[in-house]
Amino acid sequence: SQKIEQNSEALNIQEGKTATLTCNYTNYSPAYLQWYRQDPGRGPVFLLLIRENEKEKRKERLKVTFDTTLKQSLFHITASQPADSATYLCALSGSRSSASKIIFGSGTRLSIRP
Amino acid sequence: ETGVTQSPTHLIKTRGQQVTLRCSSQSGHNTVSWYQQALGQGPQFIFQYYREEENGRGNFPPRFSGLQFPNYSSELNVNALELDDSALYLCASSLDGGTVRRSYNSPLHFGNGTRLTVT
Repeated sequence: SQKIEQNSEALNIQEGKTATLTCNYTNYSPAYLQWYRQDPGRGPVFLLLIRENEKEKRKERLKVTFDTTLKQSLFHITASQPADSATYLCALSGSRSSASKIIFGSGTRLSIRP
Repeated sequence: ETGVTQSPTHLIKTRGQQVTLRCSSQSGHNTVSWYQQALGQGPQFIFQYYREEENGRGNFPPRFSGLQFPNYSSELNVNALELDDSALYLCASSLDGGTVRRSYNSPLHFGNGTRLTVT
């Protein structure tokens, strides 16, 4: 069955450093990969989308890579700040067998300490 | 621009009861998706509606049903509630062109969810 794995352990990073989150998937051939941020008690908020034919995408301090051979995406936050502390969700879509649905990983909780 | 709103924010029901959750889409959006999120887990896809018709369904039993109205607002109905149905229910709207391909990559705009507790 389709499976998406994200760092199960929480990630604790010193302010100013680069945070790197991993998303691995199996039994899936997504055409698109998205990253969302979720704060406690709130719904997820869309951050970035990358297509299967794109290797890298950037938006301000965020960078996403997508390696369809390794079946992996890396999500980087440079110059991290305490306000970046949240849970980050990886989401895949576009598989022929999955029609319209976007499926999510379980998320990685990121904490940035001052 | 009005965002996605969900009601109620919290709900407590007894096992065996029925519940209806409501969602107003972001203005201009024509597609709504419902997700169930258990504590510490990612959102699980329940189903999606496009122009009042179901446009995809996840691995949820038939007692989970939905509706989309002409104004693109939506309802999620759950019959015969079970303890395991306790979760955060998220509604997300998006703008899709109506082709299957466009449905894949439209970013989802989520509401803040309804926290359902079944006792």
